[in-house]
Amino acid sequence: ELKVEQNPLFLSMQEGKNYTIYCNYSTTSDRLYWYRQDPGKSLESLFVLLSNGAVKQEGRLMASLDTKARLSTLHITAAVHDLSATYFCAVDVNYGGSQGNLIFGKGTKLSVKP
Amino acid sequence: NAGVTQTPKFRVLKTGQSMTLLCAQDMNHEYMYWYRQDPGMGLRLIHYSVGEGTTAKGEVPDGYNVSRLKKQNFLLGLESAAPSQTSVYFCASGSGGRGANVLTFGAGSRLTVL
Repeated sequence: ELKVEQNPLFLSMQEGKNYTIYCNYSTTSDRLYWYRQDPGKSLESLFVLLSNGAVKQEGRLMASLDTKARLSTLHITAAVHDLSATYFCAVDVNYGGSQGNLIFGKGTKLSVKP
Repeated sequence: NAGVTQTPKFRVLKTGQSMTLLCAQDMNHEYMYWYRQDPGMGLRLIHYSVGEGTTAKGEVPDGYNVSRLKKQNFLLGLESAAPSQTSVYFCASGSGGRGANVLTFGAGSRLTVL
């Protein structure tokens, strides 16, 4: 059974600080996704990581994937208030009878304070 | 370009009533999903489909049925609603296949069961 765990679930940061969100998953997969959700809104895609060692960066956010450790990280550099949101990682299964199964972590609620 | 459209956006039901949530996508995506989102639980996969005429169970399928008679539509049914099904429901679609399965989400449907 595919399980996806994120930590921390809540993160309160000061502007200008750095932090990392971790995403662990339980089964073999080389496809990992990060999404952002603003309060009361739907989810938007941030990053797609498709191979071991993949690294993607967008502004103050950088995501990486280690498929051997079954671990992805989302690193926040010099946080600003606009980054306040809930961040989800998701993993899907692209083989066998479970093809298409796409599971989300519980999300990390990030609050950036001045 | 509408993307993913969910109807209705809000609904209040009494225990034991039935209803159907409709999801429509205009991106010619093969894969479609229904998730529910509850506080502290992230997004949990209810059912998904990897193509027209196919459906599969996700993490929390009990109490729900789905149908994918047309490629562009994915229906979620509640035969006998229970208060535990009070939630925000999100439909999503993705291209699936060997490449990235980035999901496009609908705006969500808020269901309250009294």
